[in-house]
Amino acid sequence: EVQLVESGGGLGQPGGSLRLSCAASGFTFSSYEMIWVRQAPGKGLEWVSYISRSGSTTSYADSVKGRFTISRDNAKNSLYLQMSSLRVEDMAVYYCVRNGGGLGLWGQGTVVTVSS
Amino acid sequence: QSALTQPASVSGSPGQSITISCTGTSSDVGGYNFVSWYQQHPGNAPKIIIYDVSERPSGVSNRFSGSKSGNTASLTISGLHTEDEADYYCCSYAGTNTFVVFGEGTKVTVL
Repeated sequence: EVQLVESGGGLGQPGGSLRLSCAASGFTFSSYEMIWVRQAPGKGLEWVSYISRSGSTTSYADSVKGRFTISRDNAKNSLYLQMSSLRVEDMAVYYCVRNGGGLGLWGQGTVVTVSS
Repeated sequence: QSALTQPASVSGSPGQSITISCTGTSSDVGGYNFVSWYQQHPGNAPKIIIYDVSERPSGVSNRFSGSKSGNTASLTISGLHTEDEADYYCCSYAGTNTFVVFGEGTKVTVL
């Protein structure tokens, strides 16, 4: 089955760190660009970060630049988002998304809560 | 990285057609033919319904159609069904620094 499964969400403290993971299956992971999208409670969708097929090119939304790092391991069919210096406004559902035919495949999301 | 402009809400009766607009700039919607639309029911992940302005993924009803003119893209839902009640988001490629930008979202209500 073609799917993306996120993990690693949970409670993080302001100023703290969390690492999100996304396991891909059912397709050739290395053939696709990947992104992270987040959705704060009751709010719309926000693009967070992008990574190229090889991982050599990345980009970030201004709201997370310098604090978040996207990476991938094509041998493990996995995508990651290292989140540091967490802020209350980072609280959201984080989706792992495959780019191809639009943002054609979404994971179910993982919830990140930021609170002391 | 400003969000694309969508109406907050649109409503229609079963069987009617509605259109949702999505206005950007020449740096996103107007500059590329990479506009996509997503449907999101409460508690679920978004689902793609249109990509590359007017292409429908396999399995998506032909009641959904997309178009673009200048800096504004549009999604039309024909023959509204009760299950079309959901939030809809447009999205556009915006270049190498800002990969994509989303619309603010439109809540569709089927009366």
